[in-house]
Amino acid sequence: DGGITQSPKYLFRKEGQNVTLSCEQNLNHDAMYWYRQDPGQGLRLIYYSQIVNDFQKGDIAEGYSVSREKKESFPLTVTSAQKNPTAFYLCASSMSRPVQPQHFGDGTRLSIL
Amino acid sequence: KNEVEQSPQNLTAQEGEFITINCSYSVGISALHWLQQHPGGGIVSLFMLSSGKKKHGRLIATINIQEKHSSLHITASHPRDSAVYICAVILNSGYALNFGKGTSLLVTP
Repeated sequence: DGGITQSPKYLFRKEGQNVTLSCEQNLNHDAMYWYRQDPGQGLRLIYYSQIVNDFQKGDIAEGYSVSREKKESFPLTVTSAQKNPTAFYLCASSMSRPVQPQHFGDGTRLSIL
Repeated sequence: KNEVEQSPQNLTAQEGEFITINCSYSVGISALHWLQQHPGGGIVSLFMLSSGKKKHGRLIATINIQEKHSSLHITASHPRDSAVYICAVILNSGYALNFGKGTSLLVTP
């Protein structure tokens, strides 16, 4: 079955460490997105990519980096510059124009030790 | 200022009740999504609509473009409907979703 796979489900990071969250899709979608969810707030866009080797910053990109070397993969690195990384991270994908529904992964919960 | 506002924030209903969740937005959009998030965190897309009304099983979604308002209705609610329901819009100028804060629904037996 086609879908989006995020790994790991739970991730713990020490202060000062970079960590990378994986997102893989086999839906042949052009566009991929990373969102962050904090308690009591709506999801917010970190980065998105509409095509391989191209990506754009979202509303809260500071302290994060991404790459899009393959259509299927859109990993997110949480760097030590991100001062408050504890959150729930969701990856999504969709076809590009015309507007299409987004499909979501099951998320990765990141905590600071 | 959040461009997407949902109400109510929390909702408790008894099994069998008719439920309505509302979503208002303040900008031009190309489409609106209704999403369902279960306690484990995973999100499922229920509807995407840009006009009119859509129905799937006991769920109905409507949108009024002129009034910038959408509603999600659940008929004959069931405890398994308990989840967070999220409204999200795609702006005319963008590609990614702008989310409301969600409505937490609890349906009791």
